[in-house]
Amino acid sequence: AQSVSQHNHHVILSEAASLELGCNYSYGGTVNLFWYVQYPGQHLQLLLKYFSGDPLVKGIKGFEAEFIKSKFSFNLRKPSVQWSDTAEYFCAVNAVGNEKLTFGTGTRLTIIP
Amino acid sequence: NAGVTQTPKFQVLKTGQSMTLQCAQDMNHEYMSWYRQDPGMGLRLIHYSVGAGITDQGEVPNGYNVSRSTTEDFPLRLLSAAPSQTSVYFCASRQAGAGKETQYFGPGTRLLVL
Repeated sequence: AQSVSQHNHHVILSEAASLELGCNYSYGGTVNLFWYVQYPGQHLQLLLKYFSGDPLVKGIKGFEAEFIKSKFSFNLRKPSVQWSDTAEYFCAVNAVGNEKLTFGTGTRLTIIP
Repeated sequence: NAGVTQTPKFQVLKTGQSMTLQCAQDMNHEYMSWYRQDPGMGLRLIHYSVGAGITDQGEVPNGYNVSRSTTEDFPLRLLSAAPSQTSVYFCASRQAGAGKETQYFGPGTRLLVL
């Protein structure tokens, strides 16, 4: 069975700081990887996704993530965060051919102006 | 397109009461899913459907029933609510096929069981 680990539960940064949120998954086969964001009081929105090809994927609002297959990782990065990035971030994985999407426990990001 | 819609937005139930959470999508997506979101636990899959007439259990199906009589609708039923079902419920949908695994989420239903 697939599983996802997000080790950072709550991250607090100042504006303009760089961000990296960790995501590791466990599954031996081919996977699709996602980062979703949930702004306060809102529903989940897709930030970026990796299906195949270039392991460095770019998403909305300046976010990017790198798939490192050897490390089973899909870390989310942003070079300079803004106050509006305050949200909860979820990493998710589904095994190719499996309909179930498995989420990590989420990382709450707080940006201090 | 309205996307994925959910009703109600908020609901308070007493233990033992029943209710149905409604979910509808107007994108003609084959796949629909129900998740619950609890603090520190992320989103957990309750039930999902790969098409009208077809449903299957997810990670935490106990206490919930679903049916899929049309492509558009995927209601979630709580037959006898328990305090452990206090949560935020999200419905999601997506297209079938490789490369189309991105899920689109509804705004959620916040449920409190007393």
